[in-house]
Amino acid sequence: DAGVIQSPRHEVTEMGQEVTLRCKPISGHNSLFWYRQTMMRGLELLIYFNNNVPIDDSGMPEDRFSAKMPNASFSTLKIQPSEPRDSAVYFCATTKVRDTGELFFGEGSRLTVL
Amino acid sequence: ILNVEQSPQSLHVQEGDSTNFTCSFPSSNFYALHWYRWETAKSPEALFVMTLNGDEKKKGRISATLNTKEGYSYLYIKGSQPEDSATYLCAFSPDNTDKLIFGTGTRLQVFP
Repeated sequence: DAGVIQSPRHEVTEMGQEVTLRCKPISGHNSLFWYRQTMMRGLELLIYFNNNVPIDDSGMPEDRFSAKMPNASFSTLKIQPSEPRDSAVYFCATTKVRDTGELFFGEGSRLTVL
Repeated sequence: ILNVEQSPQSLHVQEGDSTNFTCSFPSSNFYALHWYRWETAKSPEALFVMTLNGDEKKKGRISATLNTKEGYSYLYIKGSQPEDSATYLCAFSPDNTDKLIFGTGTRLQVFP
């Protein structure tokens, strides 16, 4: 299995631009999580989906952030407009719903907003 | 607010030393406690998932215990090696959601 695939691995953009991060989960995993990693807060849960349905988006910082999962094999996290304080590493992780199994993480997308 | 706390924040030990870290989590509405190992420039990888009070799990020189009644878990590394250098994260899953809430981690550095 290819594992969780995230793209892009690195993105540098200017303040105000739209940023779209992508995630392809492991086949058969029906629970998908978006986390943001910063030095100050560690891994923060932004949103998670079960069976393509958003279950809890209480961690999404503000309206500039949105996430979608149009099908079982693809999810996006969008920031519009981006701000310098959004600079972080964004991780996608997947697992099977309520399996008590571990999360499998992608390699992360490092975002820098200038 | 569900808070997961880890201590110490960082640890420096000599090769061969044994060490342990603590994870504290809410003792009510417990579902599962995870431990992850996170090496620099890589992604977190699962070490253990524990669900039962009193659970003990072991993988090589690394082991973990769980006390759900008082809300803590310990991770032990016996005879630390330089390759054990990493950040060790714990994560708590409450009973009524599928959320996994991470602590900020313990950064371990093992010197040869």
